[in-house]
Amino acid sequence: NAGVTQTPKFQVLKTGQSMTLQCAQDMNHEYMSWYRQDPGMGLRLIHYSVGAGITDQGEVPNGYNVSRSTTEDFPLRLLSAAPSQTSVYFCASTPSGGSYNEQFFGPGTRLTVL
Amino acid sequence: AQTVTQSQPEMSVQEAETVTLSCTYDTSESDYYLFWYKQPPSRQMILVIRQEAYKQQNATENRFSVNFQKAAKSFSLKISDSQLGDAAMYFCAYRGPEAGTASKLTFGTGTRLQVTL
Repeated sequence: NAGVTQTPKFQVLKTGQSMTLQCAQDMNHEYMSWYRQDPGMGLRLIHYSVGAGITDQGEVPNGYNVSRSTTEDFPLRLLSAAPSQTSVYFCASTPSGGSYNEQFFGPGTRLTVL
Repeated sequence: AQTVTQSQPEMSVQEAETVTLSCTYDTSESDYYLFWYKQPPSRQMILVIRQEAYKQQNATENRFSVNFQKAAKSFSLKISDSQLGDAAMYFCAYRGPEAGTASKLTFGTGTRLQVTL
């Protein structure tokens, strides 16, 4: 199993550009999430999904779109990049059964918006 | 909304010694889950230990243990026999009891642990 994969690992954008951060998991997990990590602020939830076709907003959703057409993929779209979106982005997946439901994280994408 | 507070931005411990990282949280739920994640310089998030609120017994994983005080809403992490490889950022995280909340962790701001010789 590759687990949770994210592409790209690094990206530099200019203000106003759009792009998609890719996330895929091969563990057949029902739940997937996107977080951003900023210095001194921990990880904050952007969007999450509890199954294919179902998404919802987290704590900081503005400027981001998501869709979930398959169980495996959960792309995050930046519609018009802003310097405030400079951050490290983590995708995570979680199995739906059992207790605890550990979240498995991808390696992260470091995004810089100039 | 639930909040998680880690009041120690940085901690330092000597190799082979014991260190305790603090975490407090706020919730109105009676059942929930708490986690400690480790983030080394590689940036990968690694689960260290987890605790379910209705379980009285403190969780233990090898050199890592927690002191879970439900009434005080406190969830501290104790690392015994510290090793150089323990140097990392440590995050405390909370999730609620409903199944859908498994995709919605609330994180603290982290504690950077330095391990010295």
